[in-house]
Amino acid sequence: NAGVTQTPKFRVLKTGQSMTLLCAQDMNHEYMYWYRQDPGMGLRLIHYSVGEGTTAKGEVPDGYNVSRLKKQNFLLGLESAAPSQTSVYFCASRSEDRVVEPQHFGDGTRLSIL
Amino acid sequence: GQNIDQPTEMTATEGAIVQINCTYQTSGFNGLFWYQQHAGEAPTFLSYNVLDGLEEKGRFSSFLSRSKGYSYLLLKELQMKDSASYLCAVIDSNYQLIWGAGTKLIIKP
Repeated sequence: NAGVTQTPKFRVLKTGQSMTLLCAQDMNHEYMYWYRQDPGMGLRLIHYSVGEGTTAKGEVPDGYNVSRLKKQNFLLGLESAAPSQTSVYFCASRSEDRVVEPQHFGDGTRLSIL
Repeated sequence: GQNIDQPTEMTATEGAIVQINCTYQTSGFNGLFWYQQHAGEAPTFLSYNVLDGLEEKGRFSSFLSRSKGYSYLLLKELQMKDSASYLCAVIDSNYQLIWGAGTKLIIKP
């Protein structure tokens, strides 16, 4: 059981380039999340989804877009990368069986913008 | 605003006991999570508290006082593998998770 898988694990971009981060989960979870984690700060929610075909903005959505075309996949896009987006990005998912189910995290994508 | 406070870093000795505190001020409360995160890895779930009191799970225990906006994670019989960051997160009234910045725990032999 793979759980939550993120690709790629590492990436270096130049300012202005675009890219898509992929998150895939095989636990049939309804809820999926994208976070960024920066030194000295807590996890900050970028966007989330409560089911296939739905997306919603989190705390820091500017500069990012997301799509949830399939239940198992949640994509995070950077249309024009900026150095401020250098961070570690985590995807998480949880079931809706109970409102307070813990989130399960992927191993992260380390993204550097030069 | 919503705020979660944890110490930035703590140091403890192998075999000892350490208590990591978390205080929170959030709009509503629907529970509190503790996660463990080893360097360069994903956070992993440790415990969940929604009622006041102590929840024990092996060497780890978590305590909650809702009236004080306070929780702690207690780690007993510390092992070197317990060196990690410990993240406190609160579920607010909108059922969103508010995360603390985490406490880096360093275990010395």
